[in-house]
Amino acid sequence: RKEVEQDPGPFNVPEGATVAFNCTYSNSASQSFFWYRQDCRKEPKLLMSVYSSGNEDGRFTAQLNRASQYISLLIRDSKLSDSATYLCVVLRGGADGLTFGKGTHLIIQP
Amino acid sequence: SQTIHQWPATLVQPVGSPLSLECTVEGTSNPNLYWYRQAAGRGLQLLFYSVGIGQISSEVPQNLSASRPQDRQFILSSKKLLLSDSGFYLCAWSLRAGQLFFGSGTQLSVL
Repeated sequence: RKEVEQDPGPFNVPEGATVAFNCTYSNSASQSFFWYRQDCRKEPKLLMSVYSSGNEDGRFTAQLNRASQYISLLIRDSKLSDSATYLCVVLRGGADGLTFGKGTHLIIQP
Repeated sequence: SQTIHQWPATLVQPVGSPLSLECTVEGTSNPNLYWYRQAAGRGLQLLFYSVGIGQISSEVPQNLSASRPQDRQFILSSKKLLLSDSGFYLCAWSLRAGQLFFGSGTQLSVL
């Protein structure tokens, strides 16, 4: 089992819809979790951290399920500008402890 | 505020030629510094990281090397490039685990 797995997509979603995607991780000792966003041929940027109790930032909601070892990202009222690749990132500890998923490609259609 | 500069943005090099990519960070001290590579259709692969001047840890054995001659300068090098070295190279810094700030990347094409 890969350390961090994501459905690569693409997810084609109409503008205004709600979309959600998951990410599973294999190391139960993982400490922290993040979602990054990467636009085509650009650098990844931190979208949000994922807290145990779940957290929300505007239209974005992140959830963590430690028992099943997955995190999720929900985007409500999707905008055209949400089109991007969303990277799941898991930290197991240490300066080199970050593992990136391959990303889920999201396309918001007008 | 902190900024990270990475150059060049694109590079086309012949097989067997040397490589030097440079990254500098401003507005912070003693950051952790990283070099990642993202090949087409693949995830981000950590190549090197550094927790201080002269301290380099390598994650993947290959014909690349890294150096940190100054606190906020990180250099990725190769003596002889291979076709398989093509990819999108990203420098990044962090102060807290998990929160990486990336440079704008270098698209390297080895022909």
